[in-house]
Amino acid sequence: AQKVTQAQTEISVVEKEDVTLDCVYETRDTTYYLFWYKQPPSGELVFLIRRNSFDEQNEISGRYSWNFQKSTSSFNFTITASQVVDSAVYFCALSVITGANSKLTFGKGITLSVRP
Amino acid sequence: ETGVTQSPTHLIKTRGQQVTLRCSSQSGHNTVSWYQQALGQGPQFIFQYYREEENGRGNFPPRFSGLQFPNYSSELNVNALELDDSALYLCASSPRGGLQRNEQFFGPGTRLTVL
Repeated sequence: AQKVTQAQTEISVVEKEDVTLDCVYETRDTTYYLFWYKQPPSGELVFLIRRNSFDEQNEISGRYSWNFQKSTSSFNFTITASQVVDSAVYFCALSVITGANSKLTFGKGITLSVRP
Repeated sequence: ETGVTQSPTHLIKTRGQQVTLRCSSQSGHNTVSWYQQALGQGPQFIFQYYREEENGRGNFPPRFSGLQFPNYSSELNVNALELDDSALYLCASSPRGGLQRNEQFFGPGTRLTVL
C-alpha cells in the first residue's frame, strides 16, 4: 500500500519569507511518480510538478524548487520570497503502477497562509 | 483547448437520495478518474475509467458507480446517500490510460451536501 504523509498542517508566513513544505512517502514499488498540487479556495487542483523515481535531480522553476531524496523518501517543496497569491492548500501525491491503474494517493495537505 | 469541466457546481441532497455528477474530460484525454475530498482531507481515489470500462477502484462501496461515454465524458452515481458522502467530488482526466507519468488534470469539482 502507498502512503503520503504531510506532517505540517498549517503554515503562516509573512510575505517575502521563504517556506518549505515537507512530504514523506511510503511505497514498496521501485517505479513511481511524485506530484505536488496546489488547491486555491476555488477548489480546483492545480498541477505544479511531477518527478519519477529514477530522477533525483532537484529542480528550480521561478520561485519554486523541489528537493527529492529517495534515501529519506522525501519530496519537499520550497517557495522562495512567498507572495499572498501563494496562499492555498498544497498536496503531495504518489502514483505507482498497479496494473493499468494510475490512481493518485494524496497526503492530507498543508494550508499555507501568506500575510502581507 | 478546453479543460476538465464538471457539473453541477453545488448540489444539496437528503439522506437516502441518489445523485449523478458529470464530468467532461479535457480534449484528447481518454481516461477519467474520480476522487472524493472530505473537508480538511486530501482527495481519495474512487475509481478510474478508460475506454468506457472501470480501470481500478478505491475503497468505496458499490453504491458508488460510474460510467464513461464514447466521447470520454463520465458520470459518477451515488445511491442511498449518507451524511458522510458530503464532500467535494473531483474529476481528473489524463491523456492515456494507465500511464502514471502523465499528470492528471483536475476539474473544479462538485460540492455535494447531504442533509
